[in-house]
Amino acid sequence: GIQVEQSPPDLILQEGANSTLRCNFSDSVNNLQWFHQNPWGQLINLFYIPSGTKQNGRLSATTVATERYSLLYISSSQTTDSGVYFCAVEGNTPLVFGKGTRLSVIA
Amino acid sequence: DAGITQSPRHKVTETGTPVTLRCHQTENHRYMYWYRQDPGHGLRLIHYSYGVKDTDKGEVSDGYSVSRSKTEDFLLTLESATSSQTSVYFCAISESFGTSGSGNEQFFGPGTRLTVL
Repeated sequence: GIQVEQSPPDLILQEGANSTLRCNFSDSVNNLQWFHQNPWGQLINLFYIPSGTKQNGRLSATTVATERYSLLYISSSQTTDSGVYFCAVEGNTPLVFGKGTRLSVIA
Repeated sequence: DAGITQSPRHKVTETGTPVTLRCHQTENHRYMYWYRQDPGHGLRLIHYSYGVKDTDKGEVSDGYSVSRSKTEDFLLTLESATSSQTSVYFCAISESFGTSGSGNEQFFGPGTRLTVL
């Protein structure tokens, strides 16, 4: 089945810093989503982005489908950005998740 | 927010007892999914449904069964719970699957934390 790898596994940032999270996947996909799991366990949809670039406030994402990777950019990080960021892809099976990047933003 | 509720939100049970978790949606989406989340594994698919009475297995289906008698409800049953099924269970929905377009986007419920002693 399709494999999803996220990097880095852990990231600690000072408030106000920028960061880039990466997602590599092993096959062509119909769907790629980025999620934020907050400290209360809720999964929040950030982007539906099987290809191209999208922006939503301080967050943006780019997927290069031909090279099988996606990037999530977080600018001017805030303590509320803390949590785990998941990339998930859908090929012939429903969403397959990476193991996530745990982000801690320190004031 | 997508209208997805899960019940119960927390449950503690004993090994060998049957357990049923419920997912309810108000979006009239065709596809519903059950995932489990364990430390170090991200989320993994248990079962999914592509319509009333139509279900299929996911990556980690052993020990679980599902049923969908109405569009809005998708039940996950552990016939005889084991300690290895201690986990957080998430339900998700989508309009479509396997095609291009934003209808494939999945939305998740709040989760059920299950502890099997």
